[in-house]
Amino acid sequence: DARVTQTPRDKVTEMGQEVTMRCQPILGHNTVFWYRQTMMQGLELLAYFRNRAPLDDSGMPKDRFSAEMPDATLATLKIQPSEPRDSAVYFCASGLGTGSVAGELFFGEGSRLTVL
Amino acid sequence: GESVGLHLPTLSVQEGDNSIINCAYSNSASDYFIWYKQESGKGPQFIIDIRSNMDKRQGQRVTVLLNKTVKHLSLQIAATQPGDSAVYFCAENRNSGYSTLTFGKGTMLLVSP
Repeated sequence: DARVTQTPRDKVTEMGQEVTMRCQPILGHNTVFWYRQTMMQGLELLAYFRNRAPLDDSGMPKDRFSAEMPDATLATLKIQPSEPRDSAVYFCASGLGTGSVAGELFFGEGSRLTVL
Repeated sequence: GESVGLHLPTLSVQEGDNSIINCAYSNSASDYFIWYKQESGKGPQFIIDIRSNMDKRQGQRVTVLLNKTVKHLSLQIAATQPGDSAVYFCAENRNSGYSTLTFGKGTMLLVSP
């Protein structure tokens, strides 16, 4: 049963600490997305990779967030330093995008981050 | 700016009723739309999709209608069940050199037995 795997499921940390969230996309998928979900803003796109290349990270605060795909089986989202306003659920999703269509995205269960 | 929005934040129905969840989009260049269902504590899950060259698509108990003239999308759920209780999102595929999915705010569907 292929699925997107995210770790950690829950993370509580103190302001100023570094947080790293990891995602294993579905094998064979060529696109990876990071979304952040809050009650106020809903699902916001943070970063988007196609064939491991970053295509869009305009939704991320560049001074503290970074997203990478060191290999096809791992995507990471790092926050350094973390702030209370970063508290949210972070979702990773993968899919088989073609040139003009992002296509169906398969989401992980999310990483719930609480920054105190 | 252009965005995907929902008319009703919460929809309460009785079990067995038909449910209709609406979504308005403003980007006329969007060519592909998806409805997702999100249960509490889980990630969004694909329900059904539709391309802009269609105006209706049916799945199992679900139907998506697309009205490009008024930029409106709806999800119809037949014989709604308690297990359908969740937040439903519409998402549009936008092309700006590459394609991404932009999500609406979501509608919560509450189904009473």
